[in-house]
Amino acid sequence: NAGVTQTPKFQVLKTGQSMTLQCAQDMNHNSMYWYRQDPGMGLRLIYYSASEGTTDKGEVPNGYNVSRLNKREFSLRLESAAPSQTSVYFCASSEGLAKGNTIYFGEGSWLTVV
Amino acid sequence: AQRVTQPEKLLSVFKGAPVELKCNYSYSGSPELFWYVQYSRQRLQLLLRHISRESIKGFTADLNKGETSFHLKKPFAQEEDSAMYYCALRAYSGNTPLVFGKGTRLSVIA
Repeated sequence: NAGVTQTPKFQVLKTGQSMTLQCAQDMNHNSMYWYRQDPGMGLRLIYYSASEGTTDKGEVPNGYNVSRLNKREFSLRLESAAPSQTSVYFCASSEGLAKGNTIYFGEGSWLTVV
Repeated sequence: AQRVTQPEKLLSVFKGAPVELKCNYSYSGSPELFWYVQYSRQRLQLLLRHISRESIKGFTADLNKGETSFHLKKPFAQEEDSAMYYCALRAYSGNTPLVFGKGTRLSVIA
């Protein structure tokens, strides 16, 4: 039972390079999320997708784009990476946004921008 | 706007001592509150939620609407409780994502 799977697990980028973090869930969930985790800042929402075909900005969307490719997949793209984007990125999913829905997280992607 | 405050970045306790991880929230309506835990090098996972009123791994948390708090408690800490703990809130009024606090790292000393 894979749950939420994200790739790559580790990545080092040079400033200005682009890359895409991939995320897939096999729980038939409607909602998917991308968070970043930084020391002292906790988890901050970058973007989310309430359902297939929709995406919305979270707390810290600048410098990122997302694509809800289908119900299973939700990718996060850094068009021009900056050192401030060095972080651990977590993809997550839930049945929906409504009350009672539990969020399930992926294992995280460690990104370093030099 | 919803806000979750976890005032302690780090909490160190001795094994067998009681633990209380503080969580305060700011929200004008009725919230749904959660505690998530992240053990070393593992993914975040749900520990408990206030609507379930359950005890998981010896932890409990009671929603205090008067004090707008949802503190996590355990009477006797174990070494395996060492982890990062996040309090999270979801507004009841609409379909919104969870808002997380900044987290508290619990270190249980043998």
